[in-house]
Amino acid sequence: GESVGLHLPTLSVQEGDNSIINCAYSNSASDYFIWYKQESGKGPQFIIDIRSNMDKRQGQRVTVLLNKTVKHLSLQIAATQPGDSAVYFCAEDTKAAGNKLTFGGGTRVLVKP
Amino acid sequence: DSGVTQTPKHLITATGQRVTLRCSPRSGDLSVYWYQQSLDQGLQFLIQYYNGEERAKGNILERFSAQQFPDLHSELNLSSLELGDSALYFCASSVGPDNQPQHFGDGTRLSIL
Repeated sequence: GESVGLHLPTLSVQEGDNSIINCAYSNSASDYFIWYKQESGKGPQFIIDIRSNMDKRQGQRVTVLLNKTVKHLSLQIAATQPGDSAVYFCAEDTKAAGNKLTFGGGTRVLVKP
Repeated sequence: DSGVTQTPKHLITATGQRVTLRCSPRSGDLSVYWYQQSLDQGLQFLIQYYNGEERAKGNILERFSAQQFPDLHSELNLSSLELGDSALYFCASSVGPDNQPQHFGDGTRLSIL
């Protein structure tokens, strides 16, 4: 079946450093990708999205890179802050498959003061 | 605050019972999605409604059903509950039906005893 990064690694980052979270996706037909942040006891919070006709998109302190050749997605967080500690999920959407988001297993980010 | 409201926040019930989870989408959003989040399966797409009509279906069990009402709120009905149905159930909404950011509520935690 479809899978998106089915692992839950932990990334430990010093406050102020940059973080890079990686995600591998398996469906080459996916045309839309989203990064979500989930804090304990809350629902996933939209961070940034990118469509398959782009390879980079920037937001506030965040950058998403898409490499369709190797089916890889990454989220870069600049100047990581304690409030960035959470689980981060990538998700892919394949319009041809009926518009259902497929989520990866997530990456836990721990920011050390 | 995502603007998506889910009730109740917690639900404790017994095997064999039936429950209804409720979701109010963000103002202006026509599409509603339901997801299940469990420790062993991660975030799984269940079903999508757009403007009152079912639009996409994921791995939703036959014991589960959903609907979207004319005022756009949605309900997820879970029946003949089993221990394995214990999970977080999230509702998300988006403006349109395809390839759009989905904004999540804070979920309903369902515990089956």
